[in-house]
Amino acid sequence: EDQVTQSPEALRLQEGESSSLNCSYTVSGLRGLFWYRQDPGKGPEFLFTLYSAGEEKEKERLKATLTKKESFLHITAPKPEDSATYLCAVQGDYGGSQGNLIFGKGTKLSVKP
Amino acid sequence: GAGVSQSPSNKVTEKGKDVELRCDPISGHTALYWYRQSLGQGLEFLIYFQGNSAPDKSGLPSDRFSAERTGGSVSTLTIQRTQQEDSAVYLCASSFNRGPEKLFFGSGTQLSVL
Repeated sequence: EDQVTQSPEALRLQEGESSSLNCSYTVSGLRGLFWYRQDPGKGPEFLFTLYSAGEEKEKERLKATLTKKESFLHITAPKPEDSATYLCAVQGDYGGSQGNLIFGKGTKLSVKP
Repeated sequence: GAGVSQSPSNKVTEKGKDVELRCDPISGHTALYWYRQSLGQGLEFLIYFQGNSAPDKSGLPSDRFSAERTGGSVSTLTIQRTQQEDSAVYLCASSFNRGPEKLFFGSGTQLSVL
């Protein structure tokens, strides 16, 4: 069964304290791994798509990496505005069904000034 | 331009009543998705529309749930005979391409069934 597990569930950092969020996955034929950010009361906002092991993408203080079993979201020198829940999702090879993204439960990040 | 619009933003209903949730996707987006997000749980896929193709209904949890998309644009998710376990945030998303590449989400409808 396809599955996405994110850790930790919650992470508290001081401003400037770098860290990483983990997303472990099992999927039949990975077509893509996605990172989203979700603020309270809002829908998820797209951050990155990774397609194959070894791929990396960066945006401001965020860097996403991918291996065959997991993805990391590295946060360098975070600021309070980076506080949010970060969601990881995967799409596998479902024989034509394009819509079924499998989401993890997310990591709630709090950055204190 | 405008993003994905969902209405109502909040809905409180009594157990056993029917509810309709509306989603207005970004203009030109051919793909539309409904997800459900329960407290402490990940997003749960419900249904996917792509152009004029038959929708992928594989995520609908029971026959009380149905959805339609009129004219390839606005979608309505209907829950009949609501139950307390239906309480959740219902999120709609749309995208340009076939498949869930870079989904654009609405802010969701918070459904509370008393």
